[in-house]
Amino acid sequence: EADIYQTPRYLVIGTGKKITLECSQTMGHDKMYWYQQDPGMELHLIHYSYGVNSTEKGDLSSESTVSRIRTEHFPLTLESARPSHTSQYLCASSGTLDSLDEAFFGQGTRLTVV
Amino acid sequence: QQPVQSPQAVILREGEDAVINCSSSKALYSVHWYRQKHGEAPVFLMILLKGGEQKGHEKISASFNEKKQQSSLYLTASQLSYSGTYFCGTESGGGADGLTFGKGTHLIIQP
Repeated sequence: EADIYQTPRYLVIGTGKKITLECSQTMGHDKMYWYQQDPGMELHLIHYSYGVNSTEKGDLSSESTVSRIRTEHFPLTLESARPSHTSQYLCASSGTLDSLDEAFFGQGTRLTVV
Repeated sequence: QQPVQSPQAVILREGEDAVINCSSSKALYSVHWYRQKHGEAPVFLMILLKGGEQKGHEKISASFNEKKQQSSLYLTASQLSYSGTYFCGTESGGGADGLTFGKGTHLIIQP
């Protein structure tokens, strides 16, 4: 079973609030990813990291930011939440830079901005 | 750039076979296949690496044509449990460009 955890599972928040979605993994993986997914729809890559102090933006333009200060922790922050941010956010991690490893997904955070 | 999957949706009778395709306009480093059921996280099925290495579940088979930057997932003798959305994910740039997924293929297996 994958050891990757996301908190909170569900979040309802007002417009303009700052929020941080937490993601932690205990597998020692170098690679970590954040995806945005609406129900039944595709997975959009919004941020990824290949190690400590390494972060990159994905294909989907996002107003969120990420940090990677520790290997196991990859939080995503929205400085000012808007209704358009309502979606599910999935965090994933996979092995090392030189390994052929599958990505393990967390259970997701379902965010609703009202 | 996002890989392209086809078909968008498939309806099968239990026991029938299906093929799901994935293609990219970029030189691929790896191709990943996942299945997601409603309300759940995606689950790993298969990973194929440029050069021929691959890893995955015993009952799942897939191919990777490096020249055409295409991959296919083969589902044989389908079972009801195979229902879900299948996503193809790709890495390019030597594996440094992030894992990007296609729009998915919705598979429905009927008894």
